[in-house]
Amino acid sequence: QKEVEQNSGPLSVPEGAIASLNCTYSDRVSQSFFWYRQYSGKSPELIMSIYSNGDKEDGRFTAQLNKASQYVSLLIRDSQPSDSATYLCAAFKAAGNKLTFGGGTRVLVKP
Amino acid sequence: GAVVSQHPSRVICKSGTSVKIECRSLDFQATTMFWYRQFPKKSLMLMATSNEGSKATYEQGVEKDKFLINHASLTLSTLTVTSAHPEDSSFYICSAAQDLVSDTQYFGPGTRLTVL
Repeated sequence: QKEVEQNSGPLSVPEGAIASLNCTYSDRVSQSFFWYRQYSGKSPELIMSIYSNGDKEDGRFTAQLNKASQYVSLLIRDSQPSDSATYLCAAFKAAGNKLTFGGGTRVLVKP
Repeated sequence: GAVVSQHPSRVICKSGTSVKIECRSLDFQATTMFWYRQFPKKSLMLMATSNEGSKATYEQGVEKDKFLINHASLTLSTLTVTSAHPEDSSFYICSAAQDLVSDTQYFGPGTRLTVL
């Protein structure tokens, strides 16, 4: 079992709709969670971090964390063609000081 | 703030040669730097973690004699791919953190290595 798992997609959404991305992690000692966006040929850029259970909103993005279910999600509201990218979920463990990335979900926003 | 640069952004080399990639934190002191490798359509895989002034910690399966990492100062880490082969062709990305143990990593723009 991979430590951080994501559906590879592609997730195709029409412009203006909500894109919903899911991520599960296997190690309960993971303390903090991150969503990165990566455009083709570029390095990841941080979108959101979340540390405690519940929702965290930042602009059009909402991250949700459920530690009991070991589940993290990202909602992108009012999706734009510029949101088309691969979204990487990552979990951090202080023991080992390591970010572990999921395989990424490719999102395609169609005009 | 928190800008990390990498040089070169793209390099093509012949099989058997060595290639050095530099990672610099431009506006902060990076106590810890990380080196990742990413193959096409795959996720980032951590290769090694380096702390300034000490030896790098390599992930399982990463050959430390092939991928030499030097973190000589708080703003510079280098990755040298020695005796490169075509299978080493990949996207190499560094990241930097201000603290010894930190979940906040600032990523460099990456280096595309092609070994012919």
